[in-house]
Amino acid sequence: QQQVKQSPQSLIVQKGGISIINCAYENTAFDYFPWYQQFPGKGPALLIAIRPDVSEKKEGRFTISFNKSAKQFSLHIMDSQPGDSATYFCAASLIQGAQKLVFGQGTRLTINP
Amino acid sequence: ETGVTQSPTHLIKTRGQQVTLRCSSQSGHNTVSWYQQALGQGPQFIFQYYREEENGRGNFPPRFSGLQFPNYSSELNVNALELDDSALYLCASSTYRGTNEKLFFGSGTQLSVL
Repeated sequence: QQQVKQSPQSLIVQKGGISIINCAYENTAFDYFPWYQQFPGKGPALLIAIRPDVSEKKEGRFTISFNKSAKQFSLHIMDSQPGDSATYFCAASLIQGAQKLVFGQGTRLTINP
Repeated sequence: ETGVTQSPTHLIKTRGQQVTLRCSSQSGHNTVSWYQQALGQGPQFIFQYYREEENGRGNFPPRFSGLQFPNYSSELNVNALELDDSALYLCASSTYRGTNEKLFFGSGTQLSVL
């Protein structure tokens, strides 16, 4: 019940296109769903996060869509740029407590110029 | 930059040896968590330390242990290294009873076990 499944494993998008990454979780107690961006040689950095009381959150070109009944959430990157090329991880946890984040397997995103 | 620093950045050990990794937390953060990230995988929670005591542990054997010091810096120790221990080890700092929204990762230590 602690798994977070992420797809696709890799994604290639043309510059200016929309990148979409999907995640599914099992534990209905989870109440915090962040997305992290990781560049080679760096640690994960928080990109955007959502709580289950809203269905969508937008920050600039990045949008999280959340479907509580399906236990799924997704990251949309609008107007994708070459600088967005990185590995993206979804995660889930309880917002309080031991702060144990359960991560998905990651998606390697490549934006072609 | 997150203000979380880890050392060394890279390390090569042989099977059976012991290793110590170090982490300096972001200023004002009193809690440190350690994660293991195998190649091509997401990070996995190892354990968390607060007030120099272990405060939550993931599915890792006892040969993975840690310390937290009064200045909130931390060490991760791994005994009897195995080939599968080769991974990027990430330290993350936060405030206790703070939310996961305030979790900051360092750049990690890349450990190779030969």
